[in-house]
This record gives sequence, structure tokens and C-alpha cells, in this order.
Amino acid sequence: AQKITQTQPGMFVQEKEAVTLDCTYDTSDPSYGLFWYKQPSSGEMIFLIYQGSYDQQNATEGRYSLNFQKARKSANLVISASQLGDSAMYFCAMRGRGSTLGRLYFGRGTQLTVWP
Amino acid sequence: NAGVTQTPKFQVLKTGQSMTLQCAQDMNHEYMSWYRQDPGMGLRLIHYSVGAGITDQGEVPNGYNVSRSTTEDFPLRLLSAAPSQTSVYFCASSWTSSGDSYNSPLHFGNGTRLTVT
Repeated sequence: AQKITQTQPGMFVQEKEAVTLDCTYDTSDPSYGLFWYKQPSSGEMIFLIYQGSYDQQNATEGRYSLNFQKARKSANLVISASQLGDSAMYFCAMRGRGSTLGRLYFGRGTQLTVWP
Repeated sequence: NAGVTQTPKFQVLKTGQSMTLQCAQDMNHEYMSWYRQDPGMGLRLIHYSVGAGITDQGEVPNGYNVSRSTTEDFPLRLLSAAPSQTSVYFCASSWTSSGDSYNSPLHFGNGTRLTVT
């Protein structure tokens, strides 16, 4: 079975500061991918960043980086220089080589609020 | 840059009515799927397809039908709407359906907000 845990229901950060959103996972798959999605209040699901289980370096995409610690089974999202438009729900997700049905397993999400 | 297109954006149905949620992607993705998102339940997989002519059930398939006659389209049919089907529905697609799908992100449509009264 595969499981994603996001322990922070809500996070607050001031504009221009960095913020880390936590994600831990559990899987018996040796090969898997970790993903972060953003869901603004408008409702769409926006893919942000991907980390493969065999990737040696942490993934980065602009202001987003993924702090991947394989031994700890954690895949935290770091947003640098937060902007007001970063306020949204953020979901951590995983897809394993043996993922049943090709399914993406999601955590329950973290609501990020950026204040001026 | 259309990506995954879902229609309609909003829909209100009466109990017992049927309807089809449309989904189309222009990325030549093999894998397509339907999720529903409910408060406290997260996203749950309804049906999925690994290619034209091939569909299978997800974890919550009851009350829904799908078909995949082309690579591009993957409509979701509600056979007889029930209030329990009030939800936000997402269509999502990705590059591969094989064992390497784990490194492919799912690309989501903008969602359909369905209310059944």
C-alpha cells in the first residue's frame, strides 16, 4: 500500500519569506515518483514539481524546490520568496511503479496563506 | 496549449437524471482517468483508461460509466444521478500507462462542479 501524510492542515507565511510544506510517504515500491500540486481557490489542480525515487539531486522549478530525503521518506516542498498568489491548497502525491490502476495517491493537503 | 479540457464547468442535476461529463486532451496521452474530490475524502479514482478501447474501474466506480473510443476523449457518464454524487470531478491524463508511468505527472482539467438535488 502507498500512503502520503501531510501533517500541516494550515500554514501562514509573510510575503517574500520562504516556507516549507511537509510531506512524508510510505511505499514498498523501489521505484516511485513524488509530485506536488497546487489548488487555488478557483479549483484547478496545477502540477508544480516532480522528484523521482532514483534522482540524486533535489528537484527545482523556479521558486519551488523539493527537499527529498529518501531514508526518512520525506519530500518537503520549499517555496522561496512567497507571493500573495501562492495562497492555495498544496497536495503532495505519489505514484509507484506498482501503483494499482496507475493511481496517484494524494495527501490531505496543506492550506497555505501568504500575508502582506 | 489546451491540455486537458473538461466541460461543463458547473452542472446541477435532479436525482435520477443522467448526464455525461466531457474530457478531452490534446497531448496524445495514453493514460486517462477520472477522480472525484470531496471534503475530508481527498481525491478518489473513479475509472481509468490505458488506451483507446481499454477502460477499467477505479476505487469508486459505482454509478458511473466510461468509454474510450479515441486517444483524445474520455467521457464520464452518470447513469442515474444521486445526491451522493455531488462532488467536484477531475479528468486527468499522463504520458505512459506502462510500468514507467510512475515518473509521469498527471495533468488535470479544470474540474466540473456537480450538484445533485
